[in-house]
Amino acid sequence: EIVLTQSPGTLSLSPGERATLSCRASQSISTSYLAWYQQQPGQGPRLLIYATSSRATGIPDRFSGRGSGIDFTLTISRLEPEDFAVYYCQHYGSAPLITFGPGTKVEI
Amino acid sequence: QVRLVESGGGVVQPGRSLALSCTASGYTFSNSGMHWVRRTPGRGLEWVAAISHDENEKFYADSVKGRFTISRDQNTLYLQMKSLRTDDAAVYYCARAWSGDLKNAFDIWGQGTMVTVSS
Repeated sequence: EIVLTQSPGTLSLSPGERATLSCRASQSISTSYLAWYQQQPGQGPRLLIYATSSRATGIPDRFSGRGSGIDFTLTISRLEPEDFAVYYCQHYGSAPLITFGPGTKVEI
Repeated sequence: QVRLVESGGGVVQPGRSLALSCTASGYTFSNSGMHWVRRTPGRGLEWVAAISHDENEKFYADSVKGRFTISRDQNTLYLQMKSLRTDDAAVYYCARAWSGDLKNAFDIWGQGTMVTVSS
């Protein structure tokens, strides 16, 4: 099973700033199977990025993803008030070996 | 509007059973693979189970194998949970596999239903 580690655990920033979130895998994974989700309190997660760098439908271009091998990054170029949330990376594509990272909270 | 709505959560004693439902609307449910995922304060998001669009494939996390059963019909996804343990307590979400394929990311999620396991 691939273990995903996210850092930092909490990121304290202000609106307009740039956020860089890291996701590290315990072994090399295909870029085709790495996704990022945003979760607001009381809501289900929302798909932001799939296949490492492809934005899901309706996701603004201030969200971008990159990476390869074991290291992956989600960048939010300019934080909007609605971007303060918890972000999870996910390795998918191989049920039952689907895993999530522990999450990064982006707070004001 | 594509939507998933979970129901069936509640408080249950350890060792008892509970059944969750997820009702889909706004798309052709029979074309999509589906997942159950749960979230706990201590463990974050944990994938639980998956079912292909035609029910031919079913997958389970080791932590629930033999106790949970995923199924589907019409426009509803189910999760039958037996022999519940305290560590099964979580908010349970259903999610759709993007483009219907279980190998894809999860593009639509419900709002979740809470399961509490306590004596």
